[in-house]
Amino acid sequence: AQKVTQAQTEISVVEKGDVTLDCVYETRDTTYYLFWYKQPPSGELVFLIRRNSFDEQNEISGRYSRNFQKSTSSFNFTITASQVVDSAVYFCALSEAGSSYKLIFGSGTRLLVRP
Amino acid sequence: KAGVTQTPRYLIKTRGQQVTLSCSPISGHRSVSWYQQTPGQGLQFLFEYFSETQRNKGNFPGRFSGRQFSNSRSEMNVSTLELGDSALYLCASSLGLGTGGYGTEAFFGQGTRLTVV
Repeated sequence: AQKVTQAQTEISVVEKGDVTLDCVYETRDTTYYLFWYKQPPSGELVFLIRRNSFDEQNEISGRYSRNFQKSTSSFNFTITASQVVDSAVYFCALSEAGSSYKLIFGSGTRLLVRP
Repeated sequence: KAGVTQTPRYLIKTRGQQVTLSCSPISGHRSVSWYQQTPGQGLQFLFEYFSETQRNKGNFPGRFSGRQFSNSRSEMNVSTLELGDSALYLCASSLGLGTGGYGTEAFFGQGTRLTVV
């Protein structure tokens, strides 16, 4: 069965520090996508980054980078030089071809960036 | 380009009543999905509509229903409200069917916070 696990409930980091959010997923599908979303206090989920199951390269986008390890089914997300505005809840999500690409979310990690 | 708009932002209803939530997707997007977010269950998929047809449904009772209009706007209805229906209801729009597949990603609205008393 498909599942997304975010073991870190809450993380605190001092501003300008780097922080990595962990995500482990389970799927039997060979075609799937992984996402990271950010949820600020206003409530909407903001799309950050996506990875395809068949894409081999890890990607860096500004201060965000993703580390996909198929062998360990992990999809970690790193924020470098964190800022106070990065404080939010971060969700890892999975969508699979076999489930008509609905999003399956992890339980979220609350990130607090302290000045 | 306007984002996903959900109305109303906040609602308070009494047990047993029914409620209708509205979602206007990004212009040109044909898929609208609905998600329920609660502290206990987290984010859960309710259903997806594409070209006015329900394409996918989550594991929710029949009290939860929806529809999509020809302009892609969608409404979600919950009948016979229960206390456990108190949640943030999020709507997402995407260009194609589903999220991630066919090169699409979902863009979310700010949600409707429903409180059932």
